[in-house]
Amino acid sequence: KAGVTQTPRYLIKTRGQQVTLSCSPISGHRSVSWYQQTPGQGLQFLFEYFSETQRNKGNFPGRFSGRQFSNSRSEMNVSTLELGDSALYLCASSLFGQDNEQFFGPGTRLTVL
Amino acid sequence: QQQVKQSPQSLIVQKGGISIINCAYENTAFDYFPWYQQFPGKGPALLIAIRPDVSEKKEGRFTISFNKSAKQFSLHIMDSQPGDSATYFCAASKPGSGYSTLTFGKGTMLLVSP
Repeated sequence: KAGVTQTPRYLIKTRGQQVTLSCSPISGHRSVSWYQQTPGQGLQFLFEYFSETQRNKGNFPGRFSGRQFSNSRSEMNVSTLELGDSALYLCASSLFGQDNEQFFGPGTRLTVL
Repeated sequence: QQQVKQSPQSLIVQKGGISIINCAYENTAFDYFPWYQQFPGKGPALLIAIRPDVSEKKEGRFTISFNKSAKQFSLHIMDSQPGDSATYFCAASKPGSGYSTLTFGKGTMLLVSP
């Protein structure tokens, strides 16, 4: 089975721009979660989608949004980029339910200049 | 408010030694506690996980010890190897979201010297 794929792997943007990141989960996985990883704050939960519905949301401003498509692929969007948005954005997929392992993708490294 | 506190930030262990990483949590609603391993350039990968109904779980060289009353859990890596050098994260989640919403500790960089 192919793992979680994220595109692009690297991205450079300037302040004020917006960006869209893509995540393709493992085949059969319907739950997709997004995390932001920075040296200072570590791994922080952004949001989780299941069956095209956002089930949970972390403590991030409204500039961060996401969606999930009928094929379980997910995108996250960050508008009006700030320098502090520079981070590794990780996507994870899992089979929804208890004791389900989350499989993480390699992440998208976003640099905001 | 940091709900999962992890220590130490970094750790150097000699090959063959025992690596110990500790985590403490605040939210008593947490009932699933996984540990993740992350190598540079890769996403985190699940190592081992535990629920509060057991005090210890062992998988190969990796053991989780859990103390529910103290709200603490730890990862022990026995016979540490240079290939274990990575960043380790403890995490916690609570029911209601399918355990897909993880609260992570800030990570421990482990270096196992040859």
